[in-house]
Amino acid sequence: GAVVSQHPSRVICKSGTSVKIECRSLDFQATTMFWYRQFPKQSLMLMATSNEGSKATYEQGVEKDKFLINHASLTLSTLTVTSAHPEDSSFYICSARDGSSNYGYTFGSGTRLTVV
Amino acid sequence: AQSVTQLGSHVSVSEGALVLLRCNYSSSVPPYLFWYVQYPNQGLQLLLKYTTGATLVKGINGFEAEFKKSETSFHLTKPSAHMSDAAEYFCAVSERGAGRRALTFGSGTRLQVQP
Repeated sequence: GAVVSQHPSRVICKSGTSVKIECRSLDFQATTMFWYRQFPKQSLMLMATSNEGSKATYEQGVEKDKFLINHASLTLSTLTVTSAHPEDSSFYICSARDGSSNYGYTFGSGTRLTVV
Repeated sequence: AQSVTQLGSHVSVSEGALVLLRCNYSSSVPPYLFWYVQYPNQGLQLLLKYTTGATLVKGINGFEAEFKKSETSFHLTKPSAHMSDAAEYFCAVSERGAGRRALTFGSGTRLQVQP
């Protein structure tokens, strides 16, 4: 089945530094990837939609200059949290549509970001 | 805009008992419907989905859900709970024909299974 590989699974960084999270579709081409954020004991909130070869579409209230998304190829999308602060600490999950399956959405395993 | 409501943020059942997790959607046109399970610090795993056809959908791990248009519901059930079913469950919807639209998630239901 469709697999999305997300790395790193866990990262701790200092305030003010930047962190890059990668999502790769391993066995299919993902023209669209979605980035979610999940706070403890809460649901997933869509941050942005990433389309290969074009600019990402950000949800209302999400700072595009802080959360940089790049989708340079059909198998790789990255989320960079710039100048991270403790309030950016969260669980970030990517997801991709698998065009070959029947309306399937495949999720990465998530990245736990802790900013100290 | 579509939305999805999960009634009950916490559900506790005894091992071997029936599991019922509720999900209602709000949409003028019935959307595609999904149930996902999430274990701590992990991504989401698809349990089942409804897109078209038979309204009773069987998924993995013995779970099933029934799409009821008249009730705008897609409740998740399992006849007999197992300890390994303890996790967070999310109902999600997607607009029909929306090729590049993300899923909209409910608030989640934490299932506890008591021995």
